[in-house]
Amino acid sequence: GAVVSQHPSRVICKSGTSVKIECRSLDFQATTMFWYRQFPKQSLMLMATSNEGSKATYEQGVEKDKFLINHASLTLSTLTVTSAHPEDSSFYICSASPGTAMNTEAFFGQGTRLTVV
Amino acid sequence: QKEVEQNSGPLSVPEGAIASLNCTYSDRGSQSFFWYRQYSGKSPELIMSIYSNGDKEDGRFTAQLNKASQYVSLLIRDSQPSDSATYLCAVNTNAGKSTFGDGTTLTVKP
Repeated sequence: GAVVSQHPSRVICKSGTSVKIECRSLDFQATTMFWYRQFPKQSLMLMATSNEGSKATYEQGVEKDKFLINHASLTLSTLTVTSAHPEDSSFYICSASPGTAMNTEAFFGQGTRLTVV
Repeated sequence: QKEVEQNSGPLSVPEGAIASLNCTYSDRGSQSFFWYRQYSGKSPELIMSIYSNGDKEDGRFTAQLNKASQYVSLLIRDSQPSDSATYLCAVNTNAGKSTFGDGTTLTVKP
């Protein structure tokens, strides 16, 4: 299957600082990528849809000024958690699809474990 | 009502038994359904996809879809301890954009 690479896999940062997470599709182009957040023992919650060349679409309740998404190329989307606080500590996962048909499956990155201290 | 609901776990089966995982969805217009397996601390990995009513088999895994009942299930035959994980049901609303259930944690006991 297609490969999506996410970096870093784990990051610890101080409260108030910003953290950038990268999501790359390695063997296909993705006009759309998705960012999810998963708290312990909970399911994946979609945060936003990243659109190449345009603004991201955020889900209800997700602060767009706190979670900055940039999708500058067809193979790279970045999520920046600004002014991180301990409650932002979570597992962040990106996904991307190689096609646009409804039945196109999503391929997930490895995830990033963010710990804010 | 949640968009995607899974039977509450945890589910425990003995090695070699059949594990049955169930999922219902609320959007009758949904067309694409996926089962993912997620090990603790890891990202989800795709197990099965199904788009048409009926059964779809892949090795020890069988996905079943009933659109009239808005129901999708996953059967794991000859369960192995390595199958112990959380299984996520996902429904696509747009290409690649999935709504996930809360997951069912499966434990296969040797």
